[in-house]
Amino acid sequence: AQRVTQPEKLLSVFKGAPVELKCNYSYSGSPELFWYVQYSRQRLQLLLRHISRESIKGFTADLNKGETSFHLKKPFAQEEDSAMYYCALSRYGNKLVFGAGTILRVKS
Amino acid sequence: GAGVSQSPSNKVTEKGKDVELRCDPISGHTALYWYRQRLGQGLEFLIYFQGNSAPDKSGLPSDRFSAERTGESVSTLTIQRTQQEDSAVYLCASSSSGGSGNTIYFGEGSWLTVV
Repeated sequence: AQRVTQPEKLLSVFKGAPVELKCNYSYSGSPELFWYVQYSRQRLQLLLRHISRESIKGFTADLNKGETSFHLKKPFAQEEDSAMYYCALSRYGNKLVFGAGTILRVKS
Repeated sequence: GAGVSQSPSNKVTEKGKDVELRCDPISGHTALYWYRQRLGQGLEFLIYFQGNSAPDKSGLPSDRFSAERTGESVSTLTIQRTQQEDSAVYLCASSSSGGSGNTIYFGEGSWLTVV
């Protein structure tokens, strides 16, 4: 069965510090992995996907099939990064399975 | 419209009553999804519609839950004989096709409270 695990409910860092939001998954095939973000009072939106291999708002995520991980990283956190972050997995057919989410708080 | 629209945004209902939640997807989007988010928990898949294919209902938690979609437009999620554990945010999302490369756009959600 597909499963996404985000071990941290809350991650609190200081502005300028590096950020790593952890995501592990279980899936027998070749998954597609995503990170979604929800800022305060806004709707859930796509941040990035592994197939694009892009950097969005300074965030990157590398799919590690050996460790079945898709951790989200940013070298220098900013206050506006404070939000709820969800890791999600999909197989062809587009049914997204989400993790429980991690609240990121960036303190000044 | 500009985005996925859901109504009502908030609903308080008495235990045992039926509720209907509505979703208007982005025009032209053939795929539509319903998710549920209970307080402090992740997003739970409920049901997925793709064009004229039979919907994937594998996430519906009980037979009190049902959903319909008219063509490629509006969808209604119905919860019969509501229970307190049904209290959650119900999120609707749509995408332009069922292919996994398409971005999924979410609505703002319908907050349901069962008292």
